[in-house]
This record gives sequence, structure tokens and C-alpha cells, in this order.
Amino acid sequence: NAGVTQTPKFQVLKTGQSMTLQCAQDMNHEYMSWYRQDPGMGLRLIHYSVGAGITDQGEVPNGYNVSRSTTEDFPLRLLSAAPSQTSVYFCASSRAGWETQYFGPGTRLLVL
Amino acid sequence: GQQVMQIPQYQHVQEGEDFTTYCNSSTTLSNIQWYKQRPGGHPVFLIQLVKSGEVKKQKRLTFQFGEAKKNSSLHITATQTTDVGTYFCAPPDAGGTSYGKLTFGQGTILTVHP
Repeated sequence: NAGVTQTPKFQVLKTGQSMTLQCAQDMNHEYMSWYRQDPGMGLRLIHYSVGAGITDQGEVPNGYNVSRSTTEDFPLRLLSAAPSQTSVYFCASSRAGWETQYFGPGTRLLVL
Repeated sequence: GQQVMQIPQYQHVQEGEDFTTYCNSSTTLSNIQWYKQRPGGHPVFLIQLVKSGEVKKQKRLTFQFGEAKKNSSLHITATQTTDVGTYFCAPPDAGGTSYGKLTFGQGTILTVHP
């Protein structure tokens, strides 16, 4: 099993550009989530999904969109990138929200 | 949502010294998880504590859950350079729904000097 995979590993964007961060898992987990990690801020929840077709906002959802059309995939969209979105983004999956989270390797995003 | 305070934010130790990080909540927690993130890596699950007063050990790591289930600690005995990283506590946040989601403390960054 590949576990949780994320692409790309690194990305540089200009302010105003859009992009999609990809996340996929092959563990048949119902719960998937996106976190951003900034120095001194820990991991902050952006959006999460409890199953295909169901998504909800986390702590810092502004500027990000998600959808969950399949159990395996949970892409994160930045519609108009801003420098404040420079961060490391982690996708995670689990059987349920309160159970062990399995993290992907992360995407490092720089917005200029 | 669930708020936890994790202290200290940074800890520098000499190899062989002990290390402890604390996670404190103002509300009762149903359970708490601990994760470790190596520099440049992603968080990896270490353990989950569920019962009041629970103590679990993994080699040199000792995890405790308070009697009131409002605090937890991770203690590392005789640190090694391989212990370097950020340690996060993570309680679930039911947020009034049955789904539950995990929130993370700010983390404690551990540096070990050889």
C-alpha cells in the first residue's frame, strides 16, 4: 500500500494564480482532512471530509475549496493564491475523525 | 473547537537528559493522541490514551493521561539524537457532531545536543 500520497512536493505560485493540491489514499478510509503548518502555529485544520460527497470547514477554511467525489481522493483548491497561503500542507486520512491519522508527505507551497 | 495548550514550545537538551512535554485542556477530553514529526517530515502517530490516569510506555517514552482527563504528558528518558523533532498532542474535537475531528496542539520542538 502506498498509504497517503500528495502531489506536488513543492510549488511556487504568483499571487492570484490558482492551483490544486492532490491527495489520495489507498486504505479505504472514510475520513480525510487537510492541514496547514506554519512556524509556531502547529497544525491547523483547513477542511475535512467524513466520506464521499461530504465535506466541512475546519479552523482556517478561507481561500480554500475542497470536494470529495471518491473515497480515495480529496483535492484542495486554491482559487486565488495569496502570500499568506505560503505554508506546508498536509493531507491525512483515517477510518474516523477521532482515530489514528495517517499523514501524507506534505506539499511545500510558496506564494510570491 | 477544542483548545489545548502545549508547553514548552521549545526544549533544548543534552543527549542523555530527560525531556517532558505537557498538554493542558480547559475541558475534559474523551481521549488524546500523540504524534511525532521529524524535521522535514510528516506527523506520525505514536499513541492514544483513553482512560483516566492511563500510563503507557514505549521503550524510553512514557505517556500519561491525567485523572481528570484534562491534561496529558509525554516523558522521554535519556534522550537520544533520534528523538529530535516536534511532538504534538491531539485531542478529538467533536464540535457538536458525531463525526469528530482531530485538533493539534502547537507542538513542542525538541532539540538534542550530542
